Amino acid sequence: NAGVTQTPKFRVLKTGQSMTLLCAQDMNHEYMYWYRQDPGMGLRLIHYSVGEGTTAKGEVPDGYNVSRLKKQNFLLGLESAAPSQTSVYFCASSRRESGEQFFGPGTRLTVL
Amino acid sequence: RKEVEQDPGPFNVPEGATVAFNCTYSNSASQSFFWYRQDCRKEPKLLMSVYSSGNEDGRFTAQLNRASQYISLLIRDSKLSDSATYLCVVYTGTASKLTFGTGTRLQVTL
Repeated sequence: NAGVTQTPKFRVLKTGQSMTLLCAQDMNHEYMYWYRQDPGMGLRLIHYSVGEGTTAKGEVPDGYNVSRLKKQNFLLGLESAAPSQTSVYFCASSRRESGEQFFGPGTRLTVL
Repeated sequence: RKEVEQDPGPFNVPEGATVAFNCTYSNSASQSFFWYRQDCRKEPKLLMSVYSSGNEDGRFTAQLNRASQYISLLIRDSKLSDSATYLCVVYTGTASKLTFGTGTRLQVTL
């Protein structure tokens, strides 16, 4: 099993460009999450999903959209990237609502 | 006040030493507690859950003090491979309420 995978691993965008980050999990988990991690700050939840076709806002949702069309995939979109969105993005999944989450390897995004 | 607070360190210890990290949390309704480990430029990985009665996994011991709202992690006989950042994580019962501390960095040296 690959666990949780993320694509791409690295990306550089110019301000105003758009992109989609893909997260995939092969553990048949119901819950999936998108976090961002910035220096000096803990992981912060952007959006999450409690099942296929459902999404909800987390702590820092502004500037991001998500979709969960298939149970195994969770997409994070940036419609108009800003330098403040320079960060490391982690996707995670869990079998149930708990603190035991499995993380993907991360996507390092730089917005110039 | 941050919801979860940790000493950022770094803690520099020699191999074989015992080291302890503490973490405090502010929400008394918190239900579950965890320690995650994050290696440099890698993803966080669950190290262990923290139970009210305390729990041990090999060289690692985690304890919870609900009255004082703090969690601890003790590492005995430190190895070079223990060098990482240790994240204290608190769960308050909903999918959106998993709060991560900023982490404590441990560097084990020869």
